[in-house]
Amino acid sequence: DTAVSQTPKYLVTQMGNDKSIKCEQNLGHDTMYWYKQDSKKFLKIMFSYNNKELIINETVPNRFSPKSPDKAHLNLHINSLELGDSAVYFCASSRTGSGTEAFFGQGTRLTVV
Amino acid sequence: GNSVTQMEGPVTLSEEAFLTINCTYTATGYPSLFWYVQYPGEGLQLLLKATKADDKGSNKGFEATYRKETTSFHLEKGSVQVSDSAVYFCARAYNNAGNMLTFGGGTRLMVKP
Repeated sequence: DTAVSQTPKYLVTQMGNDKSIKCEQNLGHDTMYWYKQDSKKFLKIMFSYNNKELIINETVPNRFSPKSPDKAHLNLHINSLELGDSAVYFCASSRTGSGTEAFFGQGTRLTVV
Repeated sequence: GNSVTQMEGPVTLSEEAFLTINCTYTATGYPSLFWYVQYPGEGLQLLLKATKADDKGSNKGFEATYRKETTSFHLEKGSVQVSDSAVYFCARAYNNAGNMLTFGGGTRLMVKP
């Protein structure tokens, strides 16, 4: 069983479109995250979310929004896609608490054309 | 600021060579420190971690020691294998920031037979 699963694995879309990436975790974790990895492999946190608190990296455009229907899911919605949004997006989850490790999904490669 | 700096790659070694990948972090408070590994086409996997000063994390022959005095968490392995070829990320987390990870830029390791 996959601990953190994301769909789709690949997503090619045109500029201006709105798209969503889904993420599910079956680990019983209460905190989920979205990270962006650019073409140079640099990883940056976008959001941290549990049922109490959403923490947003201030550099993330408001075209990006996380949606959590329940504790096991944190989907990423992106409006008005731009070329610069092309990247690999990773979902992750962890327990709340200091020093707990994050488990990552396999990533979604988004290409905006 | 909050940052993690690691040596740039690629690092190319012959099988059975000794590996060191340097990592330093900015010290505001007492973060937990991690090394993650990313194999080609995959998500990130936790390699090892340390949650307080002088802790040593170890896994699969890799080790790293949390050095508060030098704000470092260098990754070492005594004898690398071809299967260790991957990108290695040093990271730091603060519990009071939703356990979000701040990553270094990643270091690509290539091990030749």
